[in-house]
Amino acid sequence: QVHLVQSGAEVKMPGASVKISCKASGYIFTTYTMHWVRQAPGQRLEWMGWNKVANGNTGYSQNFHGRVTLTSDTSASMLYMELTSLTFEDTAIYYCVRGGGFSWFDFWGQGTLVTVSS
Amino acid sequence: QSALTQPPSVSGSPGQSVTISCTGTTSDVGSYNRVSWYQQSPGTAPKVIIYEVSNRPSGVPDRFSGSKSGNTASLTISGLQAGDEADYYCCSYRSDITYVFGSGTKVTVL
Repeated sequence: QVHLVQSGAEVKMPGASVKISCKASGYIFTTYTMHWVRQAPGQRLEWMGWNKVANGNTGYSQNFHGRVTLTSDTSASMLYMELTSLTFEDTAIYYCVRGGGFSWFDFWGQGTLVTVSS
Repeated sequence: QSALTQPPSVSGSPGQSVTISCTGTTSDVGSYNRVSWYQQSPGTAPKVIIYEVSNRPSGVPDRFSGSKSGNTASLTISGLQAGDEADYYCCSYRSDITYVFGSGTKVTVL
């Protein structure tokens, strides 16, 4: 069965960067596009970007103004999300998510809490 | 990118039906049949319940149904049950090859 296992919680200072990992298993890694979605406390889901792991192509939400970078390591079935220039508003749970079909999200990681605090 | 517009909350008694709207634009909901819906209970990751406007993944009860008209998609929950209490989010593909979620709707079973 499909599993997406993310790295543990992080606490960062404002202005710092964070890099979260996601280990995929239970399916052919290069067959699916992967996405990252975040959710601030008590807030809505926010789509961040996609990573077509088969060729490394990526696409990002304009809301992050170039602060997000998605990468993958196909040999290890690993995904990475790096977010730079952190502010208090980046405190959220970050999810790696598998793209089911062309336009929906079928499997979600357990989430990684990132807390930005001084 | 602004969120798709959903009502903050809807409520209904057990057995009743509720409908949640999701309004976008001609750049997203109105132009593509690529709207999905997610159910999220407190402290858990979202779960897809509808994809491509009206399709249900395996295991999702047929009490959940989706539709679309123009720039507005809708999720209807029929035969409301206590276990349906959760937050619900719509999501749409956009013309710039990105995605956008809705503002979220809290469903309360009275």
